[in-house]
Amino acid sequence: EAGVTQSPTHLIKTRGQQATLRCSPISGHTSVYWYQQALGLGLQFLLWYDEGEERNRGNFPPRFSGRQFPNYSSELNVNALELEDSALYLCASSVHDQPQHFGDGTRLSIL
Amino acid sequence: AQSVTQPDIHITVSEGASLELRCNYSYGATPYLFWYVQSPGQGLQLLLKYFSGDTLVQGIKGFEAEFKRSQSSFNLRKPSVHWSDAAEYFCAVVDAGGTSYGKLTFGQGTILTVHP
Repeated sequence: EAGVTQSPTHLIKTRGQQATLRCSPISGHTSVYWYQQALGLGLQFLLWYDEGEERNRGNFPPRFSGRQFPNYSSELNVNALELEDSALYLCASSVHDQPQHFGDGTRLSIL
Repeated sequence: AQSVTQPDIHITVSEGASLELRCNYSYGATPYLFWYVQSPGQGLQLLLKYFSGDTLVQGIKGFEAEFKRSQSSFNLRKPSVHWSDAAEYFCAVVDAGGTSYGKLTFGQGTILTVHP
């Protein structure tokens, strides 16, 4: 069974640009979660999508947004990139009431 | 708000020694508890979970954890550590009965170093 896949592995952007990160969940999983792992800040919850709807949102500004497609894959969009957005962005998937399984992440570097 | 505390930032053990990583949490009425492991440059791998029932849970790679409601703890243990266990370990909680359902709250992580 294929795990959670994220693309790209690495992404380099400059301040003010926009970034799009992609996530494909495990087959059969309907929920997708996004987390930010920034140096010194730990793992922070960003967004939760289930059945195409945003179900919960962490304490992040509106320039962090996303969506979930009918095939349950998901995109995370970050607009007006700032230096402090440099982090590892992790995607996880699950089915209802089951543990979240994580991908290997996208490393976003802002120059 | 729910929170998770891992008191030890860094632990060093010798290969073959026993291991206990501490985790304390504040929670809603029905916490779901997890331990994840992260190797450098990789994502998180689920080691074990506690939802309900038996308070001693077994996981992968020989790990186990015990849920103690009275102490608000969910400590991770392994009787004999292998060099390949060196990684960062995260305790996490989901408040299954609250408005933050679905959101994993993580502890700060414990880095495990294994000496030969």
